[in-house]
Amino acid sequence: RKEVEQDPGPFNVPEGATVAFNCTYSNSASQSFFWYRQDCRKEPKLLMSVYSSGNEDGRFTAQLNRASQYISLLIRDSKLSDSATYLCVVSESLLDRKVTFGTGTKLQVIP
Amino acid sequence: NAGVTQTPKFQVLKTGQSMTLQCAQDMNHEYMSWYRQDPGMGLRLIHYSVGAGITDQGEVPNGYNVSRSTTEDFPLRLLSAAPSQTSVYFCASSSPIPPYEQYFGPGTRLTVT
Repeated sequence: RKEVEQDPGPFNVPEGATVAFNCTYSNSASQSFFWYRQDCRKEPKLLMSVYSSGNEDGRFTAQLNRASQYISLLIRDSKLSDSATYLCVVSESLLDRKVTFGTGTKLQVIP
Repeated sequence: NAGVTQTPKFQVLKTGQSMTLQCAQDMNHEYMSWYRQDPGMGLRLIHYSVGAGITDQGEVPNGYNVSRSTTEDFPLRLLSAAPSQTSVYFCASSSPIPPYEQYFGPGTRLTVT
């Protein structure tokens, strides 16, 4: 079983739609969780960290479910500019900056 | 600030050649790392450094060397290139403040023939 698993997609959604991605992780001791965004042929960039209580940043909401060992990303009112690959990233330690990347979920927002 | 810079952007090598991928950051970050990204595999850690003079191996270190003589620079050396090293290489530095966001360079696309 992969340490961090994501549905590769692609998720093709119309503009204005709401879309959600899940990511499961295998290590129950994992402490830090992130969503990164990667545009085609570009470097990953941090979208948001995921906190235990869940957190929201504009149209983006991230949730953590420790019992089921998954994190989720919800995007509301999708824009064309949201088209990208979304990487789930997990760290086993709050102090250790080594992280494990998922393979990413591709989102295509259609006009 | 330029952030994290990498050179070259593209490189083609023949099997057996050696080369160095350059990485520099101007954010005074102590932690730096090298990843490779292959289709369907996600980013995998090659080597990392927690400060000048200190380096350690990541998940896939074989065939690569690193050094860290200054805080700013973290070059990655391919000793004898192999076709299996065809990949996109990203250098990253990490903020010293939790949750330790990683900042990536633009990447080097390497093809080994």
